[in-house]
Amino acid sequence: DQQVKQNSPSLSVQEGRISILNCDYTNSMFDYFLWYKKYPAEGPTFLISISSIKDKNEDGRFTVFLNKSAKHLSLHIVPSQPGDSAVYFCAASTGAGSYQLTFGKGTKLSVIP
Amino acid sequence: DAGVIQSPRHEVTEMGQEVTLRCKPISGHDYLFWYRQTMMRGLELLIYFNNNVPIDDSGMPEDRFSAKMPNASFSTLKIQPSEPRDSAVYFCASSFHRDNIKAFFGQGTRLTVV
Repeated sequence: DQQVKQNSPSLSVQEGRISILNCDYTNSMFDYFLWYKKYPAEGPTFLISISSIKDKNEDGRFTVFLNKSAKHLSLHIVPSQPGDSAVYFCAASTGAGSYQLTFGKGTKLSVIP
Repeated sequence: DAGVIQSPRHEVTEMGQEVTLRCKPISGHDYLFWYRQTMMRGLELLIYFNNNVPIDDSGMPEDRFSAKMPNASFSTLKIQPSEPRDSAVYFCASSFHRDNIKAFFGQGTRLTVV
């Protein structure tokens, strides 16, 4: 049973436009969420995170939104750049001293020049 | 810091052979994680250590899998005997307890069991 779901395996966006990647979760105990980016033949790298006490966190071109009632989060990239082309993973943790991350299966973003 | 270092990057072995994957975490990090990535199941946590002590190994698929962390700078994941279904990319990651569980990943070991 997948507790973290990324229902879109892939997404194509024109350079300069907004990319929106979505993530849904089922475990109501999750209270900390992270996004990772992964290039081919490399390990995932941390991008941005959000605690459940917030509904938005922004870092440069990247913004993560959290809707706890809907158990949904999204990552916005504005403006999208060709270098953003990668697989994006959503991850969640129950916090409270737990350092385990549960990952979604990822969304492959392609930014077209 | 050089980041999390994994070796080898690629491993091809025959079914039934023993395979050992190695990981050097980032210096000062007190958590170490082993993940496996497959097309079917995505990224799965196999086991994690805190201060060299295994905390949760519930993700280890079978007794054929074992992991050790003899000291703060080294960990191994061993598969004995290996099977074709073990073919996957294995990632090691480390984190610092004050860093909000932000884990840093190595480049992974691509294991192929033929």
